[in-house]
Amino acid sequence: EAGVTQFPSHSVIEKGQTVTLRCDPISGHDNLYWYRRVMGKEIKFLLHFVKESKQDESGMPNNRFLAERTGGTYSTLKVQPAELEDSGVYFCASSQARGVYEQYFGPGTRLTVT
Amino acid sequence: EDQVTQSPEALRLQEGESSSLNCSYTVSGLRGLFWYRQDPGKGPEFLFTLYSAGEEKEKERLKATLTKKESFLHITAPKPEDSATYLCAVRTIGQGNLIFGKGTKLSVKP
Repeated sequence: EAGVTQFPSHSVIEKGQTVTLRCDPISGHDNLYWYRRVMGKEIKFLLHFVKESKQDESGMPNNRFLAERTGGTYSTLKVQPAELEDSGVYFCASSQARGVYEQYFGPGTRLTVT
Repeated sequence: EDQVTQSPEALRLQEGESSSLNCSYTVSGLRGLFWYRQDPGKGPEFLFTLYSAGEEKEKERLKATLTKKESFLHITAPKPEDSATYLCAVRTIGQGNLIFGKGTKLSVKP
């Protein structure tokens, strides 16, 4: 079974540019989560999809971040325009539909804004 | 505010020297506590889920325990390949997301 995949693995952009991160969850997992780790801090929650619907987006830092999950499959996270403080590692995770199921994480996308 | 604190921040062990990592949590209602292992440049890898006080889980040289205030990850006779950052996370009642601690970086020297 394929795990959670993320693309790209690393992105370097200039302040003011736009970047789109992609996540493909484990097949059959309805729950998809985005997290972020900035340097020196703990991993923090951004938002949660159940299928194609946003269940919880309380962790999104501001309206420069836009997440979508088309057809309840893969998800994208767009940052527009990027700021220096957006640098960090963005993780995607997925889990099964019911119960307190463990979340399986992707390898992350390292975003560097210069 | 829900919070997870891990200690120590870093731990250096000799191969075969057993020790424990601590995860203290303060939450409004615990739905589950999770332990993950993270290697450099990779995403967190799931290890254990604990649901209630008194519960224990084991996997190879690792054993996780849970009380009402904290969890321990015991490492018995560690090997160099156990070197990694170990993350603790909690899920609270009514929420789907995980709240993470900062992690404990474990180094095991041969």
